[in-house]
Amino acid sequence: QLHLLESGPVILKTSETLSLTCNVSGVSITSGHFHWGWVRQPPGKGLEWVATLVYNGKRYDNPSLESRVVIPVDTSKNQFSLQLSSVTAADTAIYYCVRVNLLRGVWPDSWGQGVLVTVSS
Amino acid sequence: EIVLTQSPATLSLSPGERATLSCRASQDIGDYLGWYQHRPGQAPRLLIFDASNRATGIPGRFSGSGSGTHFTLTISSLEPEDFAVYYCQQRRNWLWTFGQGTRLEI
Repeated sequence: QLHLLESGPVILKTSETLSLTCNVSGVSITSGHFHWGWVRQPPGKGLEWVATLVYNGKRYDNPSLESRVVIPVDTSKNQFSLQLSSVTAADTAIYYCVRVNLLRGVWPDSWGQGVLVTVSS
Repeated sequence: EIVLTQSPATLSLSPGERATLSCRASQDIGDYLGWYQHRPGQAPRLLIFDASNRATGIPGRFSGSGSGTHFTLTISSLEPEDFAVYYCQQRRNWLWTFGQGTRLEI
């Protein structure tokens, strides 16, 4: 059964780099049937798409993040990460890792439980 | 950027009633629209994809319709567990966007 679990530092200071890891179990992240990505939810606000890593390695980012996003992949550990540089208070949010299922449209059909990251000065 | 506008912002109904939620896109997105349910403290759950297809395990009381710029999520008879926030999301291109959400409350 598929399981996604986010982990990483939850308190950051302004200008630091956010680094979260999504550990995937139940399916290989190298499968050509799935993409992988991140969605976030700032406190009291709605969902915001962050980035999607396509199975062929191409990445699509939310333009509002101004090219601060990197998504490293570690296939040996079956996990992928989110690195967001130069964070500000506006990056405070619950961050969810997601699986995008190509077998049923191209939609995030599985989500991790989320991790709250707080950025302060 | 494709903007999705959901209405109403809040919908107050009772168990057993029918809920109708709307999502309008700022440009034609075909049927590239999904709906999600988000309960407090839980991960969002995909309900509907490609405008009208129920995701795996989603009860039949949830249905989606629409195409182009106007979409609707209907819950035919509300159960207590359906009271949550609902989001629409488009994938007309790779720059995905979500609506601001509709809060469905008792």
